[in-house]
Order: sequence, then structure tokens, then C-alpha cells
Amino acid sequence: EVQLVESGGGLVQPGGSLRLSCSASGFTFTSHAMNWVRRAPGKGLEWVSSIGDSSSHIFYADSVKGRFTISRDNAKNSLYLEMNSLRAEDSAVYYCVREVEESFDYWGQGTLVTVSS
Amino acid sequence: QSVLTQPPSASGTPGQRVTISCSGSSSNIGSNYVYWYQQLPGTAPKLLIYKNNQRPSGVPDRFSGSKSGTSASLAISELRSEDEADYYCAAWDVSLRGRLFGGGTELTVL
Repeated sequence: EVQLVESGGGLVQPGGSLRLSCSASGFTFTSHAMNWVRRAPGKGLEWVSSIGDSSSHIFYADSVKGRFTISRDNAKNSLYLEMNSLRAEDSAVYYCVREVEESFDYWGQGTLVTVSS
Repeated sequence: QSVLTQPPSASGTPGQRVTISCSGSSSNIGSNYVYWYQQLPGTAPKLLIYKNNQRPSGVPDRFSGSKSGTSASLAISELRSEDEADYYCAAWDVSLRGRLFGGGTELTVL
């Protein structure tokens, strides 16, 4: 069974940093690109970033470019999102998402990030 | 404001057919596949339609997708109360070099 379990969310002050992790199991992690997608309170889904299966292709939404860094450790079946210079508008539930042929076919349950003083 | 435009809300009664539209441009829908996701209250999103009109295993054939030019639509027939959810279209944008989601449509079953 495919499982994606996010962790690392919490309360952080504006300008602060946070590192999200996603532990993957139940599939061959190295065969899939992975993504982070978020949903802010009262808003819709927003794609944040994607990383290819061997970390060769990395993309970011303009809203996070230069502040967030996506990475993966294939030996640990793990995906990460390093978030710096956090703003109130970054507050959201962050989902770890598996990609297959451009489809987002499996989603984790999400981890909540709250940016507030 | 999203680059992919969806109506913020839609509604129907049980048994009815409802369609949700998604309007984009030549750099996204016009040149790439469209995907649809369903997010039930309090749960993670779920893939509903991929590559414009394909259904993943387990998705009822009451759900169907179509695309024409720079627009796409999701149709839900034989509406049920459990279909109450937020629905999102998505597509890759070649100009932005990123994945786009529509603003989402909240479906209410009256």
C-alpha cells in the first residue's frame, strides 16, 4: 500500500524557517517524481514544487522561488522541503504528492504550517 | 486569481447532471493535458480524471472529463450527496514552467 507521511509542520514566526519531511513507502520511490502542494485556509490548492526521480529536474512556483528548496534522499525514501523567509501567506496545509505521468496519483494527509507572531 | 478559471460554486439535486468548467490559455490547457482532483471535506485531494478524460481505477463512470481548445470540463452524472466536495482542474503551463491548479469549485448537493 502506498503511504506518504508528512512531518515537520508547526508554528513559526514571520521570517523564520522550517523543514518539512515526507516518508514514502509501498512503492519504488526512485521511479517517481515527487511534489509539494499546499492549501491555505479558505483558499484553493497551490502547487509549490516538484523534483524528478533522480533530482535532475526541479521546479518551483513563483511564489516560493528563492525561499524554498526541494530535495530528496532516495536511500531513505524521503522528500524534503526547506522553507526560509516564511511569510504569513505561506500558512497552509502542505501535502506530499507522488507523480506518475504528470498525474498526482497519491497524496499524504498533510502537515500544517502556521506563520504568525 | 488563478490562471485556470473555474466557477467558485456549483450545485445540483440528487440524480442530476452537473458540469464544472475550467478555462485556461494556449500555454496550459491548449497545449497540455488536463487533470481533475476531488477534495472531500477534511481529507486529502484525490485524482479523479487524468489526461483530459481518463478515469483511474476505482473512480465511477459517473465522472467524465473533456477538453476543447483552451477549456476543459468535468461532468458528474447521477449526482449523489457524497459528491459534495471541492473540485480542481490542473495543467502544466509551459510559459510559467510549473503546474497550475484552478481556483476550485465547491459543489453542493441540494
